[in-house]
Amino acid sequence: GESVGLHLPTLSVQEGDNSIINCAYSNSASDYFIWYKQESGKGPQFIIDIRSNMDKRQGQRVTVLLNKTVKHLSLQIAATQPGDSAVYFCAENIPRGYNKLIFGAGTRLAVHP
Amino acid sequence: GAVVSQHPSWVICKSGTSVKIECRSLDFQATTMFWYRQFPKQSLMLMATSNEGSKATYEQGVEKDKFLINHASLTLSTLTVTSAHPEDSSFYICSARDMLAGNRNEQFFGPGTRLTVL
Repeated sequence: GESVGLHLPTLSVQEGDNSIINCAYSNSASDYFIWYKQESGKGPQFIIDIRSNMDKRQGQRVTVLLNKTVKHLSLQIAATQPGDSAVYFCAENIPRGYNKLIFGAGTRLAVHP
Repeated sequence: GAVVSQHPSWVICKSGTSVKIECRSLDFQATTMFWYRQFPKQSLMLMATSNEGSKATYEQGVEKDKFLINHASLTLSTLTVTSAHPEDSSFYICSARDMLAGNRNEQFFGPGTRLTVL
C-alpha cells in the first residue's frame, strides 16, 4: 500500500503463513523491478528482481509478480519466518540517462510466532 | 562479492560544520554510484548520481552546493554535507553499479551512514 505521512503500512502475519506485499509503480517505461528488504539501521538488501518482459519470477521462498497493465508489483513470501520481519521496498528502474532507481513507499512486515 | 562499504557508519556533528561520508566498492569497479537519503519511517529518496570523472547529476530539489559529491576513482565516491543543520539529520545510503556486470541495472547498496546534527 501507499505510505501516508510518516506511517508505513504494516502487514502482520503468523509465522508459517504466506505473505503478500503489494506495490504500485509509477512509470510505464520502467524496464526492471527489484524488491529490497531493509532491517532497522541497515542498507537495503536485494531479494529478487524481474524484468519488464516477464510476469513472474520465483526464488527461494519468494515470488515476484508483475502486472504491467495496472502497473502493479507483488512479493509473495512462502512460510514466513520471524527473520522475515523488516520493511520491504519495491523499486523501479527508469531507463533514462544513468538508469536510476525510484523506490516505493515501503511496507513493514511483522511476523508473529 | 559485490560489497559496498560506507564510512563512517554514524556521525554526530555540530550545526554549521561539514561532514564527509565515503562510499567504496570493495571488490568491483563502479563508474556510477548513487546517493540516497532516508528519513525515519520513509522510503529512500535519490539525491544524486555520482559519475567517475565527471560532475554529479542531482535530483530536483537537491542543492548541489550543499551536498558536494566527488567520484574520485572507480571505487570511491564521497558525499560532503556542508554547513550541516539539524534538518540534514538523516540516514544516507550509497549504492554502486558494477561496470562489468552483465545486468547493467543492478545496484549494490552500502550499509548506510546515520548523520545527527545537533
